[in-house]
Amino acid sequence: EAGVAQSPRYKIIEKRQSVAFWCNPISGHATLYWYQQILGQGPKLLIQFQNNGVVDDSQLPKDRFSAERLKGVDSTLKIQPAKLEDSAVYLCASSTPVGTGGDPSTDTQYFGPGTRLTVL
Amino acid sequence: AQSVTQLGSHVSVSEGALVLLRCNYSSSVPPYLFWYVQYPNQGLQLLLKYTSAATLVKGINGFEAEFKKSETSFHLTKPSAHMSDAAEYFCAVRMRGGGNKLTFGTGTQLKVEL
Repeated sequence: EAGVAQSPRYKIIEKRQSVAFWCNPISGHATLYWYQQILGQGPKLLIQFQNNGVVDDSQLPKDRFSAERLKGVDSTLKIQPAKLEDSAVYLCASSTPVGTGGDPSTDTQYFGPGTRLTVL
Repeated sequence: AQSVTQLGSHVSVSEGALVLLRCNYSSSVPPYLFWYVQYPNQGLQLLLKYTSAATLVKGINGFEAEFKKSETSFHLTKPSAHMSDAAEYFCAVRMRGGGNKLTFGTGTQLKVEL
């Protein structure tokens, strides 16, 4: 079974530029998450999708960050314009196979390898 | 709001020695608890999770953790460290009935020495 795919793996940009990250979750997973992991910290949830709807975006800086999952499969996270403090690893995760009736509170989140963003 | 605290950002053990990584949670009701491992330049991988069944949870790679309500702890242990265990370990909490949101600790970097 293929895992969560993310691209690019690394990105270096100047501040005030824009950048986009792509995530393809595990096939059949209804829930998709974007996390921000700043060096020396644990991952912080930015946004959670259930199919193509947003479940939780309370920690997403909406003045500069946006995310979409138009067809309920892959997702794009965008930053525009980027700031120095946005330097971090952006992790995508997925969980909850559609139609399994599992308990979403305990379903395992499977993580992709992440995109390391450096803002200069 | 729920949170987890990981004591010790860096832990160093000798190969073959006991591994003990500490995690304490803060929650008004017993939450779901998780341990993840992150190898360099990779995503997080689930080691084990506590979901209110047995309080002693066994995971992959010989790791286990014990949920202790009286101590609000969920420490991760392994009897004998191996060089391949060197990685960063994250404790995470999820509230019951609170959806799927995971809140992570700040992580513990485990170093294994010969």
